[in-house]
Amino acid sequence: DAGVTQSPTHLIKTRGQHVTLRCSPISGHKSVSWYQQVLGQGPQFIFQYYEKEERGRGNFPDRFSARQFPNYSSELNVNALLLGDSALYLCASSTGGPSEQFFGPGTRLTVL
Amino acid sequence: DQQVKQNSPSLSVQEGRISILNCDYTNSMFDYFLWYKKYPAEGPTFLISISSIKDKNEDGRFTVFLNKSAKHLSLHIVPSQPGDSAVYFCAASGLLTQGGSEKLVFGKGTKLTVNP
Repeated sequence: DAGVTQSPTHLIKTRGQHVTLRCSPISGHKSVSWYQQVLGQGPQFIFQYYEKEERGRGNFPDRFSARQFPNYSSELNVNALLLGDSALYLCASSTGGPSEQFFGPGTRLTVL
Repeated sequence: DQQVKQNSPSLSVQEGRISILNCDYTNSMFDYFLWYKKYPAEGPTFLISISSIKDKNEDGRFTVFLNKSAKHLSLHIVPSQPGDSAVYFCAASGLLTQGGSEKLVFGKGTKLTVNP
C-alpha cells in the first residue's frame, strides 16, 4: 500500500512569492495534518483537516492556509514568503481521533 | 513555552546494550503519547504509542513507559542495533484546541547513535 505522498520534494522560492504544497493521504485516512520543521526543532503543528473541515490550527500567521479535497488530499498554501518560512513541511494522515499519524517524506522549502 | 521536552540532544550506546530515551511534558491534558524515529531526508516514522490509561506498552524491542504523576515517559530499545541510529522524537496529543483537533506536540528530538 502506498504511504503518504507529498509534492514537490524540493522547492526554491524568493521572498514575497507564493507556494502551494500538496499531500495525498494513505488510502482510507480521512484526516490530514500539516507540520513545519525547522532545523534543530521538532515538527510544529500548522493545520488539521478532517472530512474537508478545519479541525485545528496552530500558531501560524494568516499567510498560511490549507484545504482538503473530496478525495481527502490536501494543499498547504503560503503567501508572501519570508526567509523564516524555509523549512521542511510535513504532511501526516490518520483515521482521525486519537491514533497514530503517518508522515510523508516532506517538502523542503528554501526561501531566498 | 516547550510543553514537551527532550533534554538530551544526543545519546550514544554500544550495539546490544539498552538505549533509554527520555521525555517530559507539562500539559496534564495530554492523553496520548507517541515516539517517532526520523532519518535524514525522510519524514518521521511511527514507532510506538501509549494511552494515558496505561503505564507500559511493548512492541518487540521497543517499550514505552509512562509515569503520569511525574509527567515523564521513556522509550527503551533492547537490544540496540546500529540501524536504530536516528533522531527520536517524543510527541503528545490531546484535545487541546476547540473542535477536537488531535494535533501532535513534539519535543526537539534526541539523536541516538548505536556503535557497532
